[in-house]
Amino acid sequence: GQQLNQSPQSMFIQEGEDVSMNCTSSSIFNTWLWYKQDPGEGPVLLIALYKAGELTSNGRLTAQFGITRKDSFLNISASIPSDVGIYFCAGLQTGANNLFFGTGTRLTVIP
Amino acid sequence: ETGVTQTPRHLVMGMTNKKSLKCEQHLGHNAMYWYKQSAKKPLELMFVYSLEERVENNSVPSRFSPECPNSSHLFLHLHTLQPEDSALYLCASSQLLGDTQYFGPGTRLTVL
Repeated sequence: GQQLNQSPQSMFIQEGEDVSMNCTSSSIFNTWLWYKQDPGEGPVLLIALYKAGELTSNGRLTAQFGITRKDSFLNISASIPSDVGIYFCAGLQTGANNLFFGTGTRLTVIP
Repeated sequence: ETGVTQTPRHLVMGMTNKKSLKCEQHLGHNAMYWYKQSAKKPLELMFVYSLEERVENNSVPSRFSPECPNSSHLFLHLHTLQPEDSALYLCASSQLLGDTQYFGPGTRLTVL
């Protein structure tokens, strides 16, 4: 299946710092999604992007749909301990039945 | 109750047991999905249903048998599993096939 390259694989940051992670693909996607997964729980949708160039915020989170439609990034500002978890990007293509997922970015916030 | 629910949340079973995982969505969606998530591996899509009809089966062993009796419920019947089948099994739903998916909390399965 399609592979989404997500980076970095893991991050260790101090509380209060900003975080940036991204997702790239060799294929075009029509929708980009960002999920967060806590240990032992299912992924929770954070932000959905439906249009190339779109910049969307959800509280301290901001995500952008790349203009080429082959990438997306997620920024978290002023990180707090509860931001800890694994962040996944996912993409949807026209005519596809399912999401294609990135490999995840594991975020650790040091108080 | 809203969202996607899954039961049980945890399940331990022997290789000769038969058990079922249940998923229920309260979002009025028409498509439902089963995923397997193993440690340090990407999410693996197992089955896709749209309007109670299976539309995708990603080379999943026959010891996993899905059932979708209506658009709100999805089951995964398990029999003669192997220890390597131990994983977090996630259910998701979307308004239509190919739309944004919303996940349940998962069932943590351990096969002894």
